[in-house]
Amino acid sequence: KNEVEQSPQNLTAQEGEFITINCSYSVGISALHWLQQHPGGGIVSLFMLSSGKKKHGRLIATINIQEKHSSLHITASHPRDSAVYICAVLNSGGGADGLTFGKGTHLIIQP
Amino acid sequence: DTGVSQDPRHKITKRGQNVTFRCDPISEHNRLYWYRQTLGQGPEFLTYFQNEAQLEKSRLLSDRFSAERPKGSFSTLEIQRTEQGDSAMYLCASSLGTGLYGYTFGSGTRLTVV
Repeated sequence: KNEVEQSPQNLTAQEGEFITINCSYSVGISALHWLQQHPGGGIVSLFMLSSGKKKHGRLIATINIQEKHSSLHITASHPRDSAVYICAVLNSGGGADGLTFGKGTHLIIQP
Repeated sequence: DTGVSQDPRHKITKRGQNVTFRCDPISEHNRLYWYRQTLGQGPEFLTYFQNEAQLEKSRLLSDRFSAERPKGSFSTLEIQRTEQGDSAMYLCASSLGTGLYGYTFGSGTRLTVV
């Protein structure tokens, strides 16, 4: 079983829809990252959170430490939001290997 | 600072050839990480440096792979005698300390071995 599980793997929605991507993890963590990867390959960090909720524009990220679960929400989705969204955790054990990544959620927003 | 730079962006090579990739991290960041990402998968850890010291290597890093960070600034990742299974996106990231202040990723080098 992977340490970081994301769902869904693929999501296609219409422009304007409210999007939710889920991430569950099985290890103790210091922080959780939500990352965005466009087809060119580069990764952009959207959020880093260790508790509660963060909001940036139309993006909202929440985390429940007790349930080991995080969600990324996109409000009023737009075709330019189409990308792969990756959840990654920083182990609280101080693991030297940095982040452990989920497989990503491939999001397509159709106009 | 322009972020984390990787060079080249794309590399096509014949099986058996050697290739070298370069990563220039954010100058203040003392940690530098290399990851490999295959199609449809999340990135997987390869190795990381704290300053010039290579402190951890994944079992994914076979003897054909070597990484250096000679002066604690830029890093190189070399793959010798490339195989088709080495085809992947090679990502570099850097952080200040353990990453609790965040990571910055490069755009990656996409390697295709033919």
